[in-house]
Amino acid sequence: AQSVTQLGSHVSVSEGALVLLRCNYSSSVPPYLFWYVQYPNQGLQLLLKYTSAATLVKGINGFEAEFKKSETSFHLTKPSAHMSDAAEYFCAVSTIGGGNKLTFGTGTQLKVEL
Amino acid sequence: NAGVTQTPKFQVLKTGQSMTLQCAQDMNHEYMSWYRQDPGMGLRLIHYSVGAGITDQGEVPNGYNVSRSTTEDFPLRLLSAAPSQTSVYFCASSVAGGSVGEQFFGPGTRLTVL
Repeated sequence: AQSVTQLGSHVSVSEGALVLLRCNYSSSVPPYLFWYVQYPNQGLQLLLKYTSAATLVKGINGFEAEFKKSETSFHLTKPSAHMSDAAEYFCAVSTIGGGNKLTFGTGTQLKVEL
Repeated sequence: NAGVTQTPKFQVLKTGQSMTLQCAQDMNHEYMSWYRQDPGMGLRLIHYSVGAGITDQGEVPNGYNVSRSTTEDFPLRLLSAAPSQTSVYFCASSVAGGSVGEQFFGPGTRLTVL
């Protein structure tokens, strides 16, 4: 079985500040990990994914995430927040042999303040 | 390409009514799935399909029925709506097989059951 824990259902940062959204996973086999973003009243859009290549993954809109096996973590970061980053972010896991079934975390709502 | 389309965008039902949520994709993706999104719970997999004629249950299948007669369409049926099925429903599609490709999400259907 696999699971995802996102610490902090709400995160607030100032514009220009570092964004750090936390994700820890549990999986009995090597995982594939994803971050999705959801803007208000829209579907989910893939930000980035880890599929056992480089541990530091760069995504769209300046986001990146680092896979740390020893910590079972896949935290999402962005050096400088922009107002347009305000959205809900979901971490998700799937596994090889598990097909394309995704298990999602509960989400983190990011607020960016002036 | 339209990507993944869902109809209707909004729906209000009375308890006991039935309805079908429509999902279509024009990317020739083998894999399609339905998720429901509830506050504080992330997205949970209802049913999925790895190709025409093949469907399987996800994490929360009770009260829902699916079929896959074509590659393009994957409708979700609520047999007898209950207030607990009030939620936002997302359809997603991706290339199937062992590769863990990006899942493309539709814009969602917001369902209220009174």
